[in-house]
Order: sequence, then C-alpha cells, then structure tokens
Amino acid sequence: GQQLNQSPQSMFIQEGEDVSMNCTSSSIFNTWLWYKQDPGEGPVLLIALYKAGELTSNGRLTAQFGITRKDSFLNISASIPSDVGIYFCAGRRGTSYGKLTFGQGTILTVHP
Amino acid sequence: EPEVTQTPSHQVTQMGQEVILRCVPISNHLYFYWYRQILGQKVEFLVSFYNNEISEKSEIFDDQFSVERPDGSNFTLKIRSTKLEDSAMYFCASRGGLAGGHEQFFGPGTRLTVL
Repeated sequence: GQQLNQSPQSMFIQEGEDVSMNCTSSSIFNTWLWYKQDPGEGPVLLIALYKAGELTSNGRLTAQFGITRKDSFLNISASIPSDVGIYFCAGRRGTSYGKLTFGQGTILTVHP
Repeated sequence: EPEVTQTPSHQVTQMGQEVILRCVPISNHLYFYWYRQILGQKVEFLVSFYNNEISEKSEIFDDQFSVERPDGSNFTLKIRSTKLEDSAMYFCASRGGLAGGHEQFFGPGTRLTVL
C-alpha cells in the first residue's frame, strides 16, 4: 500500500529554535497536506500544497511540495511553547475528494 | 467558524457489542469520511461517502462496519460486533464541494474502548 515515511519521529527543542520535518514516499502524490494534532483532539489543517515545487507559508510555518511529487517538508521558525503537538504529513492521489494517507507523525516538544 | 462535531467523546463497550459513532459534518459539505487512529499510531483511512453511497473503503472496513447518513445532518459509523482491536480514536471528516473548500476538516474524535 501507499506509505509515507515521516521524520524525525520526535524532536525536543528550545523555544525560539527553528524546526524542520519531512515526509517521503515511493509513490507520487498530487496533494501534500500538513496537519497538527493536539492531545485528545482531531488533526487541524496547517498548510495544503497542490503543485510540484510549490512553497507556501502560513505565519511562522513554511512547507514545500517536492519537485518529484514524492516528498514534502515543513519548517517552523522561532518556535513557541504552543507549537507543541504531533505534526502529520498527509498525501492524496487521484481525485480531489479522495482519501488521505498519513505519515507516522512527528512529536514536537518545545522547552521554554 | 463551522466545525465537525462528534458524539460521544468516549465510548466504552464490551467485546461483541454493537456501537454507533455519530458525526455532524460541516453544513453544506458533500463528502464525508471516517478515519481511525490506534493509540500511538498514525491516522488510517476507513471509508469515504458521497451522494448517499460509499465512494471508497479500506481493507480495515470489513463487513462489521457500515456507514449511514440517516438525515440531512448526521453521518454515522456502526461497528456490528466490536473486537478488542477496534479500540481506537475514530475521526469523522468532511469536505465541501468545488465551492465549499478543498480540504478535509476533522472532528475532535470519539475514543472507543472495547473491553
């Protein structure tokens, strides 16, 4: 089946540091999404990417859709304590209403 | 801001019992989904639903599972005879049509515990 390999599995950083995480796949995806999940909550969409090579920002977050359509990265600049949570990449193939395939998640811990 | 809601937030049941998980998608959304997340693992797709029928389902979604949109607002997931391995967080998601937004919005989830 389709697999998304997300790394790192976890990160422990100091407040103010920048963070980078990525997802890779052996299959091509037409859309890459990044979600954040807080404990006991559902995933919340952060950034959506629709074109190969696309670079999109949302505040302190920046994400890129890899040119091969098989990878994506998410950067968080100047981290703050509320950035704590689990970050998931998700990919979609085919139609725009198709299922999402999720990565394993990156657990981010920010020390004040 | 409109949001997906789910009830109950936590359901405890005995193995072999039937459970129904309920979702109210965002009004005017046309596509509906169920995903599950076993504790500590990734989110996995179960089923998608559009125009009153299943569009796609995963291998996990076997004959024990069914979905229904009984009225204009609710979207339910039924597990006929629960197993221990069905214990997980179940997330409902919805997506608008072409004019309703591109992406899936997730509810807060229902934690199902099968004893």
